[in-house]
Amino acid sequence: QKEVEQNSGPLSVPEGAIASLNCTYSDRGSQSFFWYRQYSGKSPELIMFIYSNGDKEDGRFTAQLNKASQYVSLLIRDSQPSDSATYLCAVNKKAEYGNKLVFGAGTILRVKS
Amino acid sequence: EAGVTQFPSHSVIEKGQTVTLRCDPISGHDNLYWYRRVMGKEIKFLLHFVKESKQDESGMPNNRFLAERTGGTYSTLKVQPAELEDSGVYFCASTRNSGNTIYFGEGSWLTVV
Repeated sequence: QKEVEQNSGPLSVPEGAIASLNCTYSDRGSQSFFWYRQYSGKSPELIMFIYSNGDKEDGRFTAQLNKASQYVSLLIRDSQPSDSATYLCAVNKKAEYGNKLVFGAGTILRVKS
Repeated sequence: EAGVTQFPSHSVIEKGQTVTLRCDPISGHDNLYWYRRVMGKEIKFLLHFVKESKQDESGMPNNRFLAERTGGTYSTLKVQPAELEDSGVYFCASTRNSGNTIYFGEGSWLTVV
C-alpha cells in the first residue's frame, strides 16, 4: 500500500464547475497535509495546507480533512482552464530529525472551456 | 526575494558518466531537501540537510548518489556513475524551519542515455 494515494485521472470538468480531488493516506499519525499544483515542466506550487479536521477555505479552493477516515480532499469552485494541471497531495511525515513530505502520484485535472 | 534556484535545468548524459546538480536555497533557509520524480512515479524524498548536516538521507537510492552542503549554503547532488534508471527530475526545496511551508525549485531534468 502506498503511503499517499491519489486517483491519477485525468479528471475532466467543464469551466465553471466544481472539481473535487481526493487523497488518502496510510500513516494515522500524520499531522499536516498539503495540496500542490504542478504545471507541466514547472515546480510544485503550494495551494493549501490543512492541519485540523474539517474544512479550510481560501478563495476558490477548499481543503477538507477527515483524520478518522484518513482522507483529505481539495475542492476547486468555478473551475477555470488555467486550473488545468497536476494536483499533488502531500503528507508531512514526522521523521527522527524533522519532517519530510510524502507525495501522492498526483491527479491530472483538465478544465474544458 | 529570490526563490530556490537549481542548475542545470536540463542535462543529457551517457550511462556511466557523472553529473552534478546544484541547488541554491532561499537565503536564510537552514533546511534543504532533495526530492526526485522518475517517469510515471510520485515525487520521492531523497534527503534533508539542516545547515551543513545531513539529518535524514533515508531516501537516497544507493551509493552512486552523493549530496553535500558545505558551509550550509548551496547544495550539490552528484550521481556517479549515472544509470538509465536515474533519469527523472530532481527537485530541491527549502524552508526556514522544519514544519513550515516548503518551497520548491524548478527542478533539474536529467536524462541518462
